Amino acid sequence: NAGVTQTPKFQVLKTGQSMTLQCAQDMNHEYMSWYRQDPGMGLRLIHYSVGAGITDQGEVPNGYNVSRSTTEDFPLRLLSAAPSQTSVYFCASSQRDRVKYGYTFGSGTRLTVV
Amino acid sequence: SQKIEQNSEALNIQEGKTATLTCNYTNYSPAYLQWYRQDPGRGPVFLLLIRENEKEKRKERLKVTFDTTLKQSLFHITASQPADSATYLCALLLTGGGNKLTFGTGTQLKVEL
Repeated sequence: NAGVTQTPKFQVLKTGQSMTLQCAQDMNHEYMSWYRQDPGMGLRLIHYSVGAGITDQGEVPNGYNVSRSTTEDFPLRLLSAAPSQTSVYFCASSQRDRVKYGYTFGSGTRLTVV
Repeated sequence: SQKIEQNSEALNIQEGKTATLTCNYTNYSPAYLQWYRQDPGRGPVFLLLIRENEKEKRKERLKVTFDTTLKQSLFHITASQPADSATYLCALLLTGGGNKLTFGTGTQLKVEL
């Protein structure tokens, strides 16, 4: 089992560029989410999905889009990158009705916007 | 406002001692509280979950307590080892909130020889 796979691991963008962070899981988890982690701020929820075709906003959704066309994939799109989006991004998944197993996180994407 | 507070100062302890980390929260009524471990450059790894109606949960050398009156969880690592050095995050899952977890900022633990 690969678990949660995130690509790329590192990315440098120029202000105004767009890009997609990829996230895939092979555990048949219904629930997937994106967090960003900044020093002193902890993990903050950007967007989440409770199943294919269903997405919703988290705490800090501005500047990001998501879609969930399959159970396995949950890409995060940056529409027009800004320096404030420099962060480490984590994708996580879980079984929707069995929270006792916790979340499984990917290894992260470190994004720098210059 | 809602807050989850973990000690931002690193906790340094000697090998073999018990490490105790604190998670306090305000203006939440969580159904579950989870603890994660995060190593540098890696994603968090789930350790333990405790429900609101449970006082204590154990897993090997780990013990978690949950006091909904004090709005506090304590995370204990007994017989600590240098390999336990990491950042530990607590996270709250709210009733009716789906699976949305809200995380604290974490406490760094350093276990010294």
